[in-house]
Amino acid sequence: DAGVIQSPRHEVTEMGQEVTLRCKPISGHDYLFWYRQTMMRGLELLIYFNNNVPIDDSGMPEDRFSAKMPNASFSTLKIQPSEPRDSAVYFCASSRGSGSYNEQFFGPGTRLTVL
Amino acid sequence: QKEVEQNSGPLSVPEGAIASLNCTYSDRGSQSFFWYRQYSGKSPELIMFIYSNGDKEDGRFTAQLNKASQYVSLLIRDSQPSDSATYLCACFSNTGNQFYFGTGTSLTVIP
Repeated sequence: DAGVIQSPRHEVTEMGQEVTLRCKPISGHDYLFWYRQTMMRGLELLIYFNNNVPIDDSGMPEDRFSAKMPNASFSTLKIQPSEPRDSAVYFCASSRGSGSYNEQFFGPGTRLTVL
Repeated sequence: QKEVEQNSGPLSVPEGAIASLNCTYSDRGSQSFFWYRQYSGKSPELIMFIYSNGDKEDGRFTAQLNKASQYVSLLIRDSQPSDSATYLCACFSNTGNQFYFGTGTSLTVIP
């Protein structure tokens, strides 16, 4: 298996622009997680899905952030409009079964820079 | 107060020594605990998980859990330069049905 795939790997954009991050989870995994990592705040869970349904989006910082999972093999995280404070590394992770005892496999991340 | 607290370090140990990484958590509803290793510029990867009080050993790694003290630790025996990385402690809380990560401890093993 190729593992969790994320694109793009790097994104540089200007404040106010729309940014879309993409993720393909490992085949057969029914949980998908979106995280944001910064030096100051560490790794923060933004939202997670189970069987394509959003379960908890309490970590989404603002209405500017939205996430979708139209099918079992694809998810997007969108920021509109983007702001410099959104600059971070965004990770997607997937797991099989309940997250409490199951390993999450992380993608390589998308490094977002908002100028 | 953050749900998971770690000393950010950096922690430096000589090659061959034991590295001790510590983590505390605030939610008593947390049931399972994870240690992830993250090399610079890479994504986190799972080293171990533990959910029962006591010790769990896997090769050179030992995870220790004390639920009464809300404390988790990771011991790395015979540390190698390749162990140099940031180690993230995480817990899964049944209360919030959520994962919480600490900010990580940076470890450097000096040859």
